[in-house]
Amino acid sequence: GAVVSQHPSWVICKSGTSVKIECRSLDFQATTMFWYRQFPKQSLMLMATSNEGSKATYEQGVEKDKFLINHASLTLSTLTVTSAHPEDSSFYICSAREGSGGLFPDTQYFGPGTRLTVL
Amino acid sequence: QQQVKQSPQSLIVQKGGIPIINCAYENTAFDYFPWYQQFPGKGPALLIAIRPDVSEKKEGRFTISFNKSAKQFSLHIMDSQPGDSATYFCAAYISNFGNEKLTFGTGTRLTIIP
Repeated sequence: GAVVSQHPSWVICKSGTSVKIECRSLDFQATTMFWYRQFPKQSLMLMATSNEGSKATYEQGVEKDKFLINHASLTLSTLTVTSAHPEDSSFYICSAREGSGGLFPDTQYFGPGTRLTVL
Repeated sequence: QQQVKQSPQSLIVQKGGIPIINCAYENTAFDYFPWYQQFPGKGPALLIAIRPDVSEKKEGRFTISFNKSAKQFSLHIMDSQPGDSATYFCAAYISNFGNEKLTFGTGTRLTIIP
């Protein structure tokens, strides 16, 4: 089956530093990747959608200058949390859609998530 | 505004019982309704999905019931097992080009006790 990996699986950083999270589709090409944020015991909230080679589309209320997304290749997208603060602590999950994706998201696969803790 | 409402928030069922999780949506433009299973520390995995032209879909022990007029859908797990203990999310999707986005419900933490 299609596998999406994330690195690191968890990270602790000091307030004010930047953190980069990688998302890779291991055995398929992903034209579109998604980044979600999940607070404890809550739902997944879409932060942004990125298409390979173009700028990411951010959801309303998500600061694009704070959450930098780069989708440089068909198998790699990165999320950089700049000048992180304790309120940015969360579980970040990426998702990758295989190929052109088809009409429905049954070929959209989720990564295992990255837990970010900002001290 | 929560476009997909999910209940209950948590559910405890004895092994062999049939947990039922309910979801309701508002936007009639949604045209695909998947369910995801998420274990602690892991990302969600697609479990089963249904399109609104079908009233029921069954895959193994998992069944989705869909009521288009009421804008509601539910997940039933037959012969539930302790290994089914996880958080379940319903979701809704619009397939119109340019508006594709999965909207998730708030999740149900299911515990199956032996």
